[in-house]
Order: sequence, then C-alpha cells, then structure tokens
Amino acid sequence: AQRVTQPEKLLSVFKGAPVELKCNYSYSGSPELFWYVQYSRQRLQLLLRHISRESIKGFTADLNKGETSFHLKKPFAQEEDSAMYYCALIITQGGSEKLVFGKGTKLTVNP
Amino acid sequence: DGGITQSPKYLFRKEGQNVTLSCEQNLNHDAMYWYRQDPGQGLRLIYYSQIVNDFQKGDIAEGYSVSREKKESFPLTVTSAQKNPTAFYLCASKRAGSSYNEQFFGPGTRLTVL
Repeated sequence: AQRVTQPEKLLSVFKGAPVELKCNYSYSGSPELFWYVQYSRQRLQLLLRHISRESIKGFTADLNKGETSFHLKKPFAQEEDSAMYYCALIITQGGSEKLVFGKGTKLTVNP
Repeated sequence: DGGITQSPKYLFRKEGQNVTLSCEQNLNHDAMYWYRQDPGQGLRLIYYSQIVNDFQKGDIAEGYSVSREKKESFPLTVTSAQKNPTAFYLCASKRAGSSYNEQFFGPGTRLTVL
C-alpha cells in the first residue's frame, strides 16, 4: 500500500531548541517527496522537495531510502515556525500522478 | 494572493441539497485537484484532472462530481449522496510535465451542512 505516515499529531518545542518532524513512507516505486506547510490563516504552500536538496527557512529534509523516511529538521526553532506541516509523496499510476499526504503534524514553538 | 481562487469562502447547505464549489486558476496550469481536509485526517484527494475534458477519481470520490470544460476552471459538486460533507475543501493546480513541480493551493471553502 502507498501511504505516508506522520506519527506525531502534535509537537511542542521551545524557541531555540532543535526540532524534527517525522515522516515515513511506503511506496514500491522511486519516491518523490515534499514537505508542505500551512501557517495560521494562510494557504497550504510548498516548503521543500527532496529532489532539490535545499534548505528553506532553516529547514532541511533528507530522503533515507533504507529507513523509508523523510524527516524534516531545523537546528534552532523559531516562534514563526509554528504551523501545520504535511509530508507528501508523489504516486504515479497509469500515466497520471497524484500527491498522497500524511495526516500532518502541528508544530508549536513556545517562547 | 492571485493565481488560484476558490469561492465562496464559507458555504452552508441543508441536508439533501447539492452544492457547487468554484475553483479558478490563471496560472495556465494543466492539472487541477480537489482535496478534503478534516482535523486529524490530513488532505484526502477527491478528484483530479490532468487535462481539459478529462478527470479521475481520487481516494474519496463517492458523493462528489466534477467537470473540466475549461483549462482554468474545475468546479466540485457535493451531492446529497455524500454522507458527511461538512469539511474544508481545498483546490490545487500544477504545471504539467515534471512531477517535481509543486502544487499551488487555493484559500479553501468551508462547507457546513445544517
């Protein structure tokens, strides 16, 4: 079965502390993964994609095919990082493609 | 914000009524998507369309219908057959070609069945 699992529904850290949002996937093909973020009263938007190997707003995510994981990390959390985070996997079926989302993790960064 | 718009922002419906949610984009994107967002459930795909006049069922298509007569428009109808329609609905679009292209999301429509 093709799925994305985010085991933590809620995650709370203090400002300046490291943060890691977990994401595991199950997919028989070559995975293409994304992290999307939804800040309060804003649209869902792309944070980063694994193919770019980029750091956005201090966040990084490394694809680990052995552990089938794509955890999102930031060494020093900021209050403005408080948001809902979704991990997503591209599924290709019969020539069409779609995104499968995890259930999301709500991150709260306390002052 | 421009690009992809949804209307209305809030919608109230009586049980037994059909209702149509609008989604329009001016990004010249070929692919469009409808998701349902429920607390603790994440986003679940309802329908998607890769090109005009073609669409496919997503994971939870029962009780919903769509059309794609124009590239820029992808309306979603929530029918009376949908057993639990109260939810937040998100529309998205994406440029065709590379799967690495991001999906752009609209602001959403909150549907409440009274």
